[in-house]
Amino acid sequence: DGGITQSPKYLFRKEGQNVTLSCEQNLNHDAMYWYRQDPGQGLRLIYYSQIVNDFQKGDIAEGYSVSREKKESFPLTVTSAQKNPTAFYLCASSRDRLAGGTNTGELFFGEGSRLTVL
Amino acid sequence: GENVEQHPSTLSVQEGDSAVIKCTYSDSASNYFPWYKQELGKRPQLIIDIRSNVGEKKDQRIAVTLNKTAKHFSLHITETQPEDSAVYFCAARGGSTLGRLYFGRGTQLTVWP
Repeated sequence: DGGITQSPKYLFRKEGQNVTLSCEQNLNHDAMYWYRQDPGQGLRLIYYSQIVNDFQKGDIAEGYSVSREKKESFPLTVTSAQKNPTAFYLCASSRDRLAGGTNTGELFFGEGSRLTVL
Repeated sequence: GENVEQHPSTLSVQEGDSAVIKCTYSDSASNYFPWYKQELGKRPQLIIDIRSNVGEKKDQRIAVTLNKTAKHFSLHITETQPEDSAVYFCAARGGSTLGRLYFGRGTQLTVWP
């Protein structure tokens, strides 16, 4: 099904290399998010963006960078500074960007990208 | 920021039994509480949610209850089926931070036939 697309699905990288994960949505959503999922850790927020050309750090932003040049796209770069980058990365979007809005703020997730550092 | 705690981390039930997953939150201004289900190898998907002005919400075999005074909310699944087996995440939307959700660590539910 369409909506939010992540690529690649699987990615291998050597230590010391940067890698960029792609996230594209065609839902016309304002807000986009990157989460990291590790077993037993739940969904931890890396970065989020509520509007084009603006983004905020989440709870575990160190070693990651993002950009939001277009409404549809929110790529995540995992830099060599990230000490433990092997994980499952989920991108999500939501329609609203204001907590007081009438929208529920439901998150729509992509299928995820699994990054393995060799 | 908000802190969401979820229990238990694993839950096994027999098919047909009920399952209950509980979450607590810290920010009394939080106003929106969704539950997501993630089947193995798939993306999380919203299954039910509740706003702070409602105490209970039902959707077929699934219900969510909210106790604002105690700052906890629960997911109830009745007549469980093997296809209910998945990881369930609770979340809360903090009242002071625009838009973002704070997730619990997840509950692995296994329903045995």
